[in-house]
Amino acid sequence: DVKVTQSSRYLVKRTGEKVFLECVQDMDHENMFWYRQDPGLGLRLIYFSYDVKMKEKGDIPEGYSVSREKKERFSLILESASTNQTSMYLCASSFAGGGQPQHFGDGTRLSIL
Amino acid sequence: ILNVEQSPQSLHVQEGDSTNFTCSFPSSNFYALHWYRWETAKSPEALFVMTLNGDEKKKGRISATLNTKEGYSYLYIKGSQPEDSATYLCASPHYKLSFGAGTTVTVRA
Repeated sequence: DVKVTQSSRYLVKRTGEKVFLECVQDMDHENMFWYRQDPGLGLRLIYFSYDVKMKEKGDIPEGYSVSREKKERFSLILESASTNQTSMYLCASSFAGGGQPQHFGDGTRLSIL
Repeated sequence: ILNVEQSPQSLHVQEGDSTNFTCSFPSSNFYALHWYRWETAKSPEALFVMTLNGDEKKKGRISATLNTKEGYSYLYIKGSQPEDSATYLCASPHYKLSFGAGTTVTVRA
């Protein structure tokens, strides 16, 4: 079974802090994704990566950056956390190609105070 | 940006009843249609990936159909059970996967 592991289930940080969310997958997937989920808005794509050191902006990249130094690990960085970044963050991975299903981690519920 | 829409936003079903709901997507440049089930306190789980017009897929009591010419897919739940309670998401890739907002199904015992 594919395993996508996010470093924390719950995280509380303060406004202005630099926040790192880590995601690791064990299936040698080329693609990795970061989403946030807010009530009534569904899953919105923040960034994705289709290869090591490659990244593409999603629908809502402002205030975020990402890092993919190794194929199995994709990090989401909140450069200076703000209260409007309080949300559920989900990481996913898949093989290359739009016909491949995505496999999701359990999510990180992040609260910015 | 590809607009994927789902309706209804939520529905309540009596245990044992069957139900269905819709995912609509722009039909131009169609590539694939994904369905996911997202149960509370769990991660989204892939149900189906559909690529061919007229395709029908089935997993237990859940099935899905696809019409790529008119840009819609139906998901059916036959004989709903409480464990079917979840949010069902559909998504379609363009250069990235675009998700609908989901249909939240609540099955009442």
